[in-house]
Amino acid sequence: DAMVIQNPRYQVTQFGKPVTLSCSQTLNHNVMYWYQQKSSQAPKLLFHYYDKDFNNEADTPDNFQSRRPNTSFCFLDIRSPGLGDAAMYLCATSTAIQETQYFGPGTRLLVL
Amino acid sequence: AQKITQTQPGMFVQEKEAVTLDCTYDTSDPSYGLFWYKQPSSGEMIFLIYQGSYDQQNATEGRYSLNFQKARKSANLVISASQLGDSAMYFCAMREGMGSNYKLTFGKGTLLTVNP
Repeated sequence: DAMVIQNPRYQVTQFGKPVTLSCSQTLNHNVMYWYQQKSSQAPKLLFHYYDKDFNNEADTPDNFQSRRPNTSFCFLDIRSPGLGDAAMYLCATSTAIQETQYFGPGTRLLVL
Repeated sequence: AQKITQTQPGMFVQEKEAVTLDCTYDTSDPSYGLFWYKQPSSGEMIFLIYQGSYDQQNATEGRYSLNFQKARKSANLVISASQLGDSAMYFCAMREGMGSNYKLTFGKGTLLTVNP
């Protein structure tokens, strides 16, 4: 089945230690998104890629970076995680920017 | 002003009964889309149903239907014949904007509990 996969499902890191979250998709969608969702809150868009074009949200901290080496994969890098970065990180894809977004299962990040 | 308002933080429904989850939105864009997503405790956001602003008929997908009242700017989700597996957080979202500025804005969600 075509799907969006996120690894790992749970990630524990130490304060200040760089961490990378992974997202892959078999849907061959052009657009990939990263959202941050804190407990009991709505998802918040961090950035998205339209093909190789990177679009950063204005209020996304510089601590968050992303890479998309090919159509199938997209990575979220947190350079120096703080306690406030503990959250669920959701990856989503869509065929085009205006189309329905399909989400992966998410990665729960814990910062110690 | 909030773009998407879900006024019900929590809702309870008896198994096999219908339930309506409220969503109102605010936009000046004539072209927009409205989505409902389900998020179980496992965390995955599951797409349920979509309504475009120019669609003449209310969207339906199995047990899910969207009661779209454009003049009132509401897009309520109706779940018929509730099942225990419907217990989850439900998010209403709106897509608006043009070109590369399309953005999906989520409401704060409604936690639905289905009682046996």
